[in-house]
Amino acid sequence: GAVVSQHPSWVICKSGTSVKIECRSLDFQATTMFWYRQFPKQSLMLMATSNEGSKATYEQGVEKDKFLINHASLTLSTLTVTSAHPEDSSFYICSARVGTGGNNSPLHFGNGTRLTVT
Amino acid sequence: AQSVTQLDSHVSVSEGTPVLLRCNYSSSYSPSLFWYVQHPNKGLQLLLKYTSAATLVKGINGFEAEFKKSETSFHLTKPSAHMSDAAEYFCVVSDRGSARQLTFGSGTQLTVLP
Repeated sequence: GAVVSQHPSWVICKSGTSVKIECRSLDFQATTMFWYRQFPKQSLMLMATSNEGSKATYEQGVEKDKFLINHASLTLSTLTVTSAHPEDSSFYICSARVGTGGNNSPLHFGNGTRLTVT
Repeated sequence: AQSVTQLDSHVSVSEGTPVLLRCNYSSSYSPSLFWYVQHPNKGLQLLLKYTSAATLVKGINGFEAEFKKSETSFHLTKPSAHMSDAAEYFCVVSDRGSARQLTFGSGTQLTVLP
């Protein structure tokens, strides 16, 4: 089945530094990937839609200069949390859609990245 | 517009007893519906999906869900719970009539007691 690999699985960084999270589709091409944020015991919140070869589409309230997304190839999207602060600590999950069925096709998720900013 | 409501934030069952996780949705168009499971510190895994074919959908690990348009429901069931079923479950709706992305329910934490 389709596999989405996310790296790192966890990261601890100091306040003010930047952290890059990678999301790879291992056995399929993904022109679109999605980045979510999940707070403890809450559902997923869509942050942005990453489009290969073009700018990401950010959801309302998500700072695009804070959360930089790059989708340079059909198998890789990256999320960089710039100048991280403790309030950015969260669980970040990426996903990609397999198939050409549009919203009918299910998403496949990475295993998430636990970010802790000290 | 679309929305999804998971009626129970926590469900607790004994091992070997049936599981029922409730989900109601609203959608302007004919929706696609999904159930995902999330184990601690992991991503989401697809359990099953409904996309306008058979209304009773069978998924992995013995789970199934029935799409009931008249009740706008898509409840997840399993005849006999196993300890490994303990996890967070998300009901997700996709409005095929629009370009919006998926809408996630708030999740239901399933606890399985020995």
